[in-house]
Amino acid sequence: KAGVTQTPRYLIKTRGQQVTLSCSPISGHRSVSWYQQTPGQGLQFLFEYFSETQRNKGNFPGRFSGRQFSNSRSEMNVSTLELGDSALYLCASSSGTGGQPQHFGDGTRLSIL
Amino acid sequence: AQSVSQHNHHVILSEAASLELGCNYSYGGTVNLFWYVQYPGQHLQLLLKYFSGDPLVKGIKGFEAEFIKSKFSFNLRKPSVQWSDTAEYFCAVNLMDSNYQLIWGAGTKLIIKP
Repeated sequence: KAGVTQTPRYLIKTRGQQVTLSCSPISGHRSVSWYQQTPGQGLQFLFEYFSETQRNKGNFPGRFSGRQFSNSRSEMNVSTLELGDSALYLCASSSGTGGQPQHFGDGTRLSIL
Repeated sequence: AQSVSQHNHHVILSEAASLELGCNYSYGGTVNLFWYVQYPGQHLQLLLKYFSGDPLVKGIKGFEAEFIKSKFSFNLRKPSVQWSDTAEYFCAVNLMDSNYQLIWGAGTKLIIKP
């Protein structure tokens, strides 16, 4: 069974640009969650999508948005990039019901110049 | 607001020492509990989970955790650590009555001295 796939693995952008990250969940999983991981702040929850609807949301500004498609693949978009957005962005998928554990991808390393 | 507290941000131990990492949560409803581990340069992976039943659960690599409901705790233990256990450990709590929100602890960086 293929794991969670995130693309691209690495990305370099400049301030003010926008970026879209992609996540393909494990087959059959309907929930996709996004996290930001930095050395200083640790693991920060961005949002979770379940069956194409945002089900839970963290405390990030509106520049961070996401969506989920009917095949459960998800995208995360960050607009007007800031230096502080440099981080590892992680995607995790799960069945979305019954409180099942999440399975993580390798992440997208985003660097803002 | 619901929260998960991991008491130690950094722990340094020698090989063969015993390990206990604390995790407490604040939520009065039904929970599922998890410990995840992130080895250097690798992705987060599930170490063990508690859903119901025996409060002492065993995970991979000799780890175990005990759920004490009255103390809202889910501490991780290992009797004898190895250098390869050097990693960051995260406790996570799934709020079963609240949209299955998954609340994460801040993580504990564990360094094992050879």
